[in-house]
Amino acid sequence: QAVLTQPASLSASPGASASLTCTLRSGINVGTYRIYWYQQKPGSPPQYLLRYKSDSDKQQGSGVPSRFSGSKDASANAGILLISGLQSEDEADYYCMIWHSSAYVFGTGTKVTVL
Amino acid sequence: EVQLVESGGGVVQPGGSLRLSCAASGFPFSTYSMNWVRQAPGKGLEWVSYISSSTSAIYYADSVKGRFSISRDNAKSSLYLQMNRLRAEDTAVYYCAREEDTYDYFDFWGQGTLVTVSS
Repeated sequence: QAVLTQPASLSASPGASASLTCTLRSGINVGTYRIYWYQQKPGSPPQYLLRYKSDSDKQQGSGVPSRFSGSKDASANAGILLISGLQSEDEADYYCMIWHSSAYVFGTGTKVTVL
Repeated sequence: EVQLVESGGGVVQPGGSLRLSCAASGFPFSTYSMNWVRQAPGKGLEWVSYISSSTSAIYYADSVKGRFSISRDNAKSSLYLQMNRLRAEDTAVYYCAREEDTYDYFDFWGQGTLVTVSS
């Protein structure tokens, strides 16, 4: 079982909100981790979006619109990236990441399609 | 302007070796931790290795531990990845990435260099 699991794909309409989940493997408590989110468009390296641990410990990447935000769902043991007001340029792959057991671990990635 | 330029990729046979380089410019390289991240064709991101600014801390992914070695030359503003005993599953684009010094995220990435392990 992967350390971080993300749904393979998500589709939504322009202007809608998209909630991307990053589920931590059983036994790894989401509450103790900072979760980093990256966006990657075809042919380009990833770009940092934001980091979220709690409402008092979060950081938005430079130039990243406020319609990208982070949160957690403790009951699901998951980190969440919320994209509000989806735009066509948000079509990309999204990866979560944590620092776990002396290693960075990336999630499996979610491909977001804006219909 | 921050720039990271990887080089050294190519085609190598299974069991072979390759050394990747990442030339950094536009920032005080010696004060930043650095990472290597790879991405197999059509696949997701996989973190490979980390090195602190002073080289006092080095970490590897389990998949490369014992085969890959990260190093840096702060005088030359360069990061390296020595890859030995290469396997087909090491085929990927290898990115070097700078780690932001306050919030620990990867704030700048190179364009990557492709490593193909094939007979």
